[in-house]
Amino acid sequence: NAGVTQTPKFRVLKTGQSMTLLCAQDMNHEYMYWYRQDPGMGLRLIHYSVGEGTTAKGEVPDGYNVSRLKKQNFLLGLESAAPSQTSVYFCASSYLYSGLQETQYFGPGTRLLVL
Amino acid sequence: QQPVQSPQAVILREGEDAVINCSSSKALYSVHWYRQKHGEAPVFLMILLKGGEQKGHDKISASFNEKKQQSSLYLTASQLSYSGTYFCGTQAFTGNQFYFGTGTSLTVIP
Repeated sequence: NAGVTQTPKFRVLKTGQSMTLLCAQDMNHEYMYWYRQDPGMGLRLIHYSVGEGTTAKGEVPDGYNVSRLKKQNFLLGLESAAPSQTSVYFCASSYLYSGLQETQYFGPGTRLLVL
Repeated sequence: QQPVQSPQAVILREGEDAVINCSSSKALYSVHWYRQKHGEAPVFLMILLKGGEQKGHDKISASFNEKKQQSSLYLTASQLSYSGTYFCGTQAFTGNQFYFGTGTSLTVIP
């Protein structure tokens, strides 16, 4: 099993450009998440999904959109990149058991630099 | 809603002990602990449920004080491999949203 994979690993964008980050998991997890990690800020939730076709906003959703068309994939889009979106982006997946969120499995991360 | 961790950073010598605290303003259902090494993804350590349960493996253990809405991570006889940033993650009784703390940087030196 590959676990959670992210594409690309690194990307440089110019302000105003758009891009999509792809997250894929092969563990049949219902829940998927996108986080951003900035120095001193920890992991902040951007958007999450509790199942195929559903998405919800997290703490810092502005400037991002997501889609979960297939259970195994969770896409994060930046329509018009800004320098403030320079960050490391992590995708994670988990399942919910008896109302308790189980372990989150993280992808290797995507480093995004917006100039 | 983001849990607060303390201390923000700690430096230990090999063999010393450390405690990392995680506090929330909300009534908690569960607390998770993760460790992240530099340049890598966070890796799960353990989950604690409401009820004051204590868990551990190797020389890393944790407790969960439901009344205080606080969890503590205990690292005993630290090893060089313990270095990294430790995050707690909390889930409240209401809703599914999960929040990570700001992290505690732990450095173990020889």
